[in-house]
Amino acid sequence: QSALTQPASVSGSPGQSITISCTGTSSDVGSYNLVSWYQQHPGKAPKLMIYEVSKRPSGVSNRFSGSKSGNTASLTISGLQAEDEADYYCCSYAGSSTFVFGTGTKVTVL
Amino acid sequence: QLQLQESGPGLVKPSETLSLTCTVSGGSISSSSYYWGWIRQPPGKGLEWIGSIYYSGSTYYNPSLKSRVTISVDTSKNQFSLKLSSVTAADTAVYYCASSRHEKGYSYDYWGQGTLVTVSS
Repeated sequence: QSALTQPASVSGSPGQSITISCTGTSSDVGSYNLVSWYQQHPGKAPKLMIYEVSKRPSGVSNRFSGSKSGNTASLTISGLQAEDEADYYCCSYAGSSTFVFGTGTKVTVL
Repeated sequence: QLQLQESGPGLVKPSETLSLTCTVSGGSISSSSYYWGWIRQPPGKGLEWIGSIYYSGSTYYNPSLKSRVTISVDTSKNQFSLKLSSVTAADTAVYYCASSRHEKGYSYDYWGQGTLVTVSS
């Protein structure tokens, strides 16, 4: 069970859109629509932003959207804002009631 | 709304057992709706799923940690616990407890604030 692969960093200017990829295998991301995304600000607990690939919890801005194609899931942040600067982690069900997180991506708002 | 709070020693000696407890408020740990999990984050690094437990006592562990991890639930105290044996410096991390639900695709929607555990002599 290896960590899902994410880019170490992604940056964008305010108002732009950015996309973070999350690459797994046919044993995790590719087999289940149970991918979630978490936002983590420094010193804080992670916050759920997307679940089941593309669903947003109540209270999460519709600027956040998720998708999946094959073994790769993606998180898109549109209309980038300063408050979006944080670390982002994907997580996938990996079978046998186990889960695996991604390596994490630092989002910088230029 | 659920609230979770981790507690336990902040310093553990190498080769000893790390023990943490998560106290749940705002809901029952005996609810069939929830799984209760532990996730950790070494300083400056990413998140690692440790394992989870269902109210029935069924447990699920990260294969890489399975031989050292035990998660249990105490319904009388509305708490669940983590024990990690034979710790080394590599187990130094912020440990989070969190809850997940079938309705949310088993994603972790409520988290504790996290507690730093340092492994050092």
